[in-house]
Amino acid sequence: SQTIHQWPATLVQPVGSPLSLECTVEGTSNPNLYWYRQAAGRGLQLLFYSVGIGQISSEVPQNLSASRPQDRQFILSSKKLLLSDSGFYLCAWSVGDRGFDEQYFGPGTRLTVT
Amino acid sequence: AQKITQTQPGMFVQEKEAVTLDCTYDTSDPSYGLFWYKQPSSGEMIFLIYQGSYDQQNATEGRYSLNFQKARKSANLVISASQLGDSAMYFCAMREGMRFGTGANNLFFGTGTRLTVIP
Repeated sequence: SQTIHQWPATLVQPVGSPLSLECTVEGTSNPNLYWYRQAAGRGLQLLFYSVGIGQISSEVPQNLSASRPQDRQFILSSKKLLLSDSGFYLCAWSVGDRGFDEQYFGPGTRLTVT
Repeated sequence: AQKITQTQPGMFVQEKEAVTLDCTYDTSDPSYGLFWYKQPSSGEMIFLIYQGSYDQQNATEGRYSLNFQKARKSANLVISASQLGDSAMYFCAMREGMRFGTGANNLFFGTGTRLTVIP
């Protein structure tokens, strides 16, 4: 069966510090991968998605970046965090070879920028 | 314009009763899919139910059913026989262009409805 992991689960970082959040998927090949951010009390905002290794599409301009160094690994990074980067970050995967492909989410990382 | 609108920030329901969570959507694409996700306090997003724009019948999954009214562009979630474990945030989402094998497609999420089940 497929599983998705995210770490760390919780992170407190000062403004201006770098960020690296990792997401890995097991039990499937060539998944589509997504990074979402959920601000407090709000819905999810898609940040990045990837259909393959090295292929990243960005949905919103920001100081975050994403990389996919391996088929089942998706990394969210920042060189310098802003206060507005605080939120709940969710990684998700899907497979795009069916008529519809629901997305399966990881447990999330709660980031607080101080 | 908002792609997905959920007008109920919070809802209360008595245990064992049914509840309807509203969702309206906006798209000009004839091919789209509608999803409902549940987010308990732990934070994970749990897929509940899916409705395709060309589906003739309303989707059902156990105690969940989707009241799909295409002309009104609404996709309300109905939870029957509510249980205490149903207390959570519920998100409606839409993906446009549901064509076979098109790879990653973006999900647009609503702002969510917090459901509280009262014992």
